[in-house]
Amino acid sequence: QQKVQQSPESLIVPEGGMASLNCTSSDRNVDYFWWYRQHSGKSPKMLMSIFSNGEKEEGRFTVHLNKASLHTSLHIRDSQPSDSALYLCAASRNSNNRIFFGDGTQLVVKP
Amino acid sequence: DAGVTQTPRHEVAEKGQTIILKCEPVSGHNDLFWYRQTKIQGLELLSYFRSKSLMEDGGAFKDRFKAEMLNSSFSTLKIQPTEPKDSAVYLCASSLSGLVGEQYFGPGTRLTVL
Repeated sequence: QQKVQQSPESLIVPEGGMASLNCTSSDRNVDYFWWYRQHSGKSPKMLMSIFSNGEKEEGRFTVHLNKASLHTSLHIRDSQPSDSALYLCAASRNSNNRIFFGDGTQLVVKP
Repeated sequence: DAGVTQTPRHEVAEKGQTIILKCEPVSGHNDLFWYRQTKIQGLELLSYFRSKSLMEDGGAFKDRFKAEMLNSSFSTLKIQPTEPKDSAVYLCASSLSGLVGEQYFGPGTRLTVL
């Protein structure tokens, strides 16, 4: 049973554009969300985490969380070709429980 | 600090063979995960250990997949017997308990079963 759904499956944005990725949990007990990035041929690396309602910004990356709807989104402004990767969302019930990964959004940034 | 190491990086096996994949977690991490990744199925959890105790064994993977933690710094994943559908990238990850979502992944082992 898939607990984490991501959309879209794939996304193409022009260089310099804004990329917006979505993630929703079907488990109402989920409280913690993580975003991972996986470049082609490499392993996933944690990008950002968010546990509280609202938003968190790190450079060009902003994550939003709405706990009521169990929805998180990742926004990348001024997208660069080096941002092209598979973005994985993960969720868990607390920081001590194992996480469930979504299937990912494949982002392509075209020069 | 050394990250997660996995060996071998590539493995080719004949159908029916037994293969053993190895993983060394980040020093001091007490949670260890084995995943399988394919384009179709995405990331699938095979096993999850905390302080060497098996917490989860990935349900559908029980019959031919067996992960062990021989000590806190070494784990193996045995696939016996291998089938062509096992062809995938096998990833090992580790984390600190209490920060289970912050996982550090190894480079993976690409397994091809002929």
